[in-house]
Amino acid sequence: EPEVTQTPSHQVTQMGQEVILRCVPISNHLYFYWYRQILGQKVEFLVSFYNNEISEKSEIFDDQFSVERPDGSNFTLKIRSTKLEDSAMYFCASSEYRGDQGYTFGSGTRLTVV
Amino acid sequence: GENVEQHPSTLSVQEGDSAVIKCTYSDSASNYFPWYKQELGKRPQLIIDIRSNVGEKKDQRIAVTLNKTAKHFSLHITETQPEDSAVYFCAASGWDGNKLVFGAGTILRVKS
Repeated sequence: EPEVTQTPSHQVTQMGQEVILRCVPISNHLYFYWYRQILGQKVEFLVSFYNNEISEKSEIFDDQFSVERPDGSNFTLKIRSTKLEDSAMYFCASSEYRGDQGYTFGSGTRLTVV
Repeated sequence: GENVEQHPSTLSVQEGDSAVIKCTYSDSASNYFPWYKQELGKRPQLIIDIRSNVGEKKDQRIAVTLNKTAKHFSLHITETQPEDSAVYFCAASGWDGNKLVFGAGTILRVKS
C-alpha cells in the first residue's frame, strides 16, 4: 500500500533555529497538507498546497512558516525561527483529489524545541 | 469556520461490548466526515468515512451514521476487542474539501 514518508522522525532544535521537515507524498497525489498535533491534543490544520501554491492556510500558519515543493517528489515545511510552542508532532498528508478522497497521513515528525 | 465537537473524551468498555462516539459539526456545508484511529505515537489512520448523501455506512464491526439535519455523526464499534483501544478522532470537511477539521478525540479503552 502506498505511503506518505516523512523525515526525520524526530528533530530536536534550539529555540530560534530554523528547521525543515520533509515529506514525500504518494506519487499520483495532487493535494498536499501539513497538520500538527501538540501532545495530547487534537490534530490541527496548518496549510494545504495544490498546483505549486498554497490553497488555504490556518491562523497558526503565520510568517514563520513556509512550504515548498522543491522537486517532483518532496514537500517541505520550514519553520524559520522556532519557538517553544512549536513543539509538536507534524503530520504531512496527501490526497489524489480534494481532501475528501483517500486522505493519507505520514508517520509524522516529532519536533522538540528546547 | 467549521467547529467539530466530540464526546465523550474518554470511554471504557468491556471486551465484547459496543462503543459509541458522537460528533457534532457547525457548518451545514460540510459534506465529508471521516473517522481516524490513532495509536500512541503513530499517525492517524482512516477507519471509515461517510459522505453527506449517505445516512449510514458499515464495515464489519465499524459503522458510522450521519444526521445532516441535526448536524451530528456517530461512530459505532461492535464486539470491541482490546486492540480497538486507541484515540479516535472525527473530522469534517467542507464543500471544497480543502482541509479537515478534527474533533478533540476520544480515548477508548477496551478492558479484557
